[in-house]
Amino acid sequence: DQQVKQNSPSLSVQEGRISILNCDYTNSMFDYFLWYKKYPAEGPTFLISISSIKDKNEDGRFTVFLNKSAKHLSLHIVPSQPGDSAVYFCAASANTGFQKLVFGTGTRLLVSP
Amino acid sequence: DSGVTQTPKHLITATGQRVTLRCSPRSGDLSVYWYQQSLDQGLQFLIQYYNGEERAKGNILERFSAQQFPDLHSELNLSSLELGDSALYFCASSVGQGARTGELFFGEGSRLTVL
Repeated sequence: DQQVKQNSPSLSVQEGRISILNCDYTNSMFDYFLWYKKYPAEGPTFLISISSIKDKNEDGRFTVFLNKSAKHLSLHIVPSQPGDSAVYFCAASANTGFQKLVFGTGTRLLVSP
Repeated sequence: DSGVTQTPKHLITATGQRVTLRCSPRSGDLSVYWYQQSLDQGLQFLIQYYNGEERAKGNILERFSAQQFPDLHSELNLSSLELGDSALYFCASSVGQGARTGELFFGEGSRLTVL
């Protein structure tokens, strides 16, 4: 049962344009969401997070939007840079017990010059 | 460099064998987490330790076990290996017990290939 879904395995955008990565979740108990970025041969690194009490969180070029009614979140990268080329994982946790992170399968972003 | 060290980086072994993966957390971090990433899959949570004690279990097989030692390093033991155990195994660490802040620091992973 995939509770966190990233339905686009890959995305290609041109440098300077907007990248939009999408994530859907099914567990209504999730109330904290995160994006991790992963380069080849490296471990995932934390990028940005959002709590369910918000619908938007911004950090520089990165903005995460949360639509609780649709159980959907998205990561916007503006402007996209070639160095943003990586695999992006969406993750979620519920405020129950351990609060483990449940990860999606990832979206590979390629930003071309 | 996340500060989390995992060894070995690559491991090739045969079915039925046993291997041990090692993780040293960031200095000061008390929690260690183990995740498995199989081909085209997300990171699956296996187990977490906090200051030497098991805190939570995820989808960890009975053939797998882990422990955290007094110096806070952790080992993941995989036994009676099957082809399907081939995966990238990540260790992560954090200061506290939970993962709410997002500040899980991941190692580079140990790639296990079972032939």
